Amino acid sequence: ETGVTQSPTHLIKTRGQQVTLRCSSQSGHNTVSWYQQALGQGPQFIFQYYREEENGRGNFPPRFSGLQFPNYSSELNVNALELDDSALYLCASSFGRNTGELFFGEGSRLTVL
Amino acid sequence: QKEVEQNSGPLSVPEGAIASLNCTYSDRGSQSFFWYRQYSGKSPELIMFIYSNGDKEDGRFTAQLNKASQYVSLLIRDSQPSDSATYLCAVKRPGGYQKVTFGIGTKLQVIP
Repeated sequence: ETGVTQSPTHLIKTRGQQVTLRCSSQSGHNTVSWYQQALGQGPQFIFQYYREEENGRGNFPPRFSGLQFPNYSSELNVNALELDDSALYLCASSFGRNTGELFFGEGSRLTVL
Repeated sequence: QKEVEQNSGPLSVPEGAIASLNCTYSDRGSQSFFWYRQYSGKSPELIMFIYSNGDKEDGRFTAQLNKASQYVSLLIRDSQPSDSATYLCAVKRPGGYQKVTFGIGTKLQVIP
């Protein structure tokens, strides 16, 4: 069984740039959600994708957007990067839209300078 | 008031002792409760979930839920140095989507 994989693992951007993070969900899982974890904080829900559509969003601005593909993999895009966007971005896959039982990838650590 | 409150710790316990981790939540509509373990530099890993009032045991771990008091706890018996990690309490409302609300986590240190 293949787990959740994310890429890249680390990246450095400058303020105002754009970034794309990628996630392959665990085999058999049809739902992908994205979380942001700032240093010393718990993960915060960004949004969820199910059947290639966003069907839930947390308190994040529209410059955070995403996609889900037919194979259930997903992308997180962040435009106009700000210093506060520096964080660990976690992709979580699950079977079903609302179980709360999340299987996280190892994350992409973004540093914005 | 934070939605999920946890003491950030660190909580230090000697090897072999019982570690008790606590959490309170503010949303009475929460129906699902989770404990995730996060090792330093790693991603969170689900270790326990509980939906009903009372206790749920899984090996050395026991989750306890009291909805009336809006209180969740995790007991780790016979603590081992490998249990040293940050433990994240998380809650979820029913339905809709996978919005899980996490606390900041309690750092547990098990001293050999």
